[in-house]
Amino acid sequence: EAQVTQNPRYLITVTGKKLTVTCSQNMNHEYMSWYRQDPGLGLRQIYYSMNVEVTDKGDVPEGYKVSRKEKRNFPLILESPSPNQTSLYFCASSLTGFSYEQYFGPGTRLTVT
Amino acid sequence: GQQLNQSPQSMFIQEGEDVSMNCTSSSIFNTWLWYKQDPGEGPVLLIALYKAGELTSNGRLTAQFGITRKDSFLNISASIPSDVGIYFCAGQTTSGTYKYIFGTGTRLKVLA
Repeated sequence: EAQVTQNPRYLITVTGKKLTVTCSQNMNHEYMSWYRQDPGLGLRQIYYSMNVEVTDKGDVPEGYKVSRKEKRNFPLILESPSPNQTSLYFCASSLTGFSYEQYFGPGTRLTVT
Repeated sequence: GQQLNQSPQSMFIQEGEDVSMNCTSSSIFNTWLWYKQDPGEGPVLLIALYKAGELTSNGRLTAQFGITRKDSFLNISASIPSDVGIYFCAGQTTSGTYKYIFGTGTRLKVLA
């Protein structure tokens, strides 16, 4: 089954403790992206990747890092999480950066205390 | 960060009514997309628009890409209870990057 998977689905952590949220897709997609969703603000793009080793900032990249060493994986790293990073995070992928069909993962709800 | 202005923020409608929502931007977009998000899930693409003036339908859904390339609307005809959810517009930038900008969402509630 074609899908985007994220782990963990739920995470509660403390300020400053490094964490990684994994994202994997099995569709051989070139374009992958991370979003955060906050009430009243919709989805905001954090980082995106056009292909392996090619990443770029979205609209809200501060406090986040990403890497794209393999085509299927695009982990989101929070080196020193803060409470304002409490949010619902979505990973998405599409065939290319020019394709409209972005497939979204199920989401990761992160709480930073 | 940049966001799209989406309205209305929420709406209650009776089953069978038509619904209209729109999205505006100060920037030009190459692509306009409309997504629906059900509770606890990621957004799912409904309609994609690629050319200014384009009008596209998907079942009871119709969307248009504004001729100025700065706006789009989505219509849902004869709403049914399963139309409940949050609808998002999104645009892809034209500035040589490949960022997506999302609207703040329209929460739709259908009264049976």
